[in-house]
Amino acid sequence: EIVLTQSPGTLSVSLGERVTLSCRAGQTVSSTSLAWYQQKPGQAPRLLIYGTSTRATGIPDRFSGSGSGTDFTLTISRLEPEDFAVYFCQHYAYSSYTFGQGTKLEV
Amino acid sequence: QVTLRESGPALVKPTQTLTLTCTFSGFSLSTSGMCIGWIRQPPGKALEWLARIDWDDEKYSSTSVKSRLTISRDTSKNQVVLEMTNADPSDTATYFCARINTHAGTWNAFDVWGQGTTVTVSA
Repeated sequence: EIVLTQSPGTLSVSLGERVTLSCRAGQTVSSTSLAWYQQKPGQAPRLLIYGTSTRATGIPDRFSGSGSGTDFTLTISRLEPEDFAVYFCQHYAYSSYTFGQGTKLEV
Repeated sequence: QVTLRESGPALVKPTQTLTLTCTFSGFSLSTSGMCIGWIRQPPGKALEWLARIDWDDEKYSSTSVKSRLTISRDTSKNQVVLEMTNADPSDTATYFCARINTHAGTWNAFDVWGQGTTVTVSA
């Protein structure tokens, strides 16, 4: 099973700031199989990015994803108030899904 | 519009069988490429994938809980049922069902989620 490690666990940020979240895989993974989700308190996760860099339907263009091999990144170009949430990366391989432990963005 | 909704008991005693139902609309699980997965999240913790059932009735489960899980579907009712035997306090979590569309660009991600149902395992 591939382990995904997200860093940092919590990130203190400010409105308008550019933010970079990291997701590191324990071994090389396919970039087509890496996704990112946003989860707000009391809500279900929402798909943000799939295939490492493609935004899901309705996701603002301030969200972008990149990476390859073992290192993947979610970037928020200018933090908006509604972006304070927990972000999870997720990988799929061999009919199995794994999630990172999440990064929380706080004021 | 695609929607999913989880339902089940809020409280289960240890060793009992936990049964959760995912009722969905806006798509058919008989349509090629459609799948539904179950994911859980213990309080304050990360997401954990549990199982998946496909349009052709193929089933997959996480190795960590495989021996305790049964996933099934009723296509006439647009429902997927997850059964977990021998419930333990460590199974206390919010349980989500979510759609996977293997014929879309999002083929390896969960593109639509239910709101989740919270289950506590306690005597």
